[in-house]
Amino acid sequence: NAGVTQTPKFRILKIGQSMTLQCTQDMNHNYMYWYRQDPGMGLKLIYYSVGAGITDKGEVPNGYNVSRSTTEDFPLRLELAAPSQTSVYFCASSPPRRAGDNEQFFGPGTRLTVL
Amino acid sequence: RKEVEQDPGPFNVPEGATVAFNCTYSNSASQSFFWYRQDCRKEPKLLMSVYSSGNEDGRFTAQLNRASQYISLLIRDSKLSDSATYLCAVNIRPGTASKLTFGTGTRLQVTL
Repeated sequence: NAGVTQTPKFRILKIGQSMTLQCTQDMNHNYMYWYRQDPGMGLKLIYYSVGAGITDKGEVPNGYNVSRSTTEDFPLRLELAAPSQTSVYFCASSPPRRAGDNEQFFGPGTRLTVL
Repeated sequence: RKEVEQDPGPFNVPEGATVAFNCTYSNSASQSFFWYRQDCRKEPKLLMSVYSSGNEDGRFTAQLNRASQYISLLIRDSKLSDSATYLCAVNIRPGTASKLTFGTGTRLQVTL
């Protein structure tokens, strides 16, 4: 199993450009998440999904969109990139909840700089 | 008050020392507690889950204190390779798609 994979690893965008961060997991996990992590800060939840076709906003959704057409893929779309979106983006997945045990598995991250 | 709070450190300890971190959480109904380790410029990786009765994995011991609403991580016989940031994660709203709220992390630096 490759686990959670993310592409690209690094990207520099100009203000106003758009891009899609890709995330794929091969563990057949229902739950998937997108986080951003700013320097010295914790992980902030952007969007999450409990299964194909179902997505919901997290703590900091503004400026982002997601879709979940398959169990495996959960892309994050940035429209009109802004410098405030400079961050490291992590995708994570989690197996179906059982008895409160719901650890999350993370991808390697995408480092995004908006100039 | 933050929902999940950690002392950012850094904790600078010599090799072989014992070090402990705490993480407080605001919601008494929280379930599912975890410690993650994050190396510089890498993704968080699960170190251990935290069970009600406390649990141990080699040199690492995790405990949960529901009365005072905190979890702890104890590292014995610290190694240079333990240098990292340790994030606590809490499911503070059970039933909400297994969402975890993360602390900002405690940085540990183990020195010779």
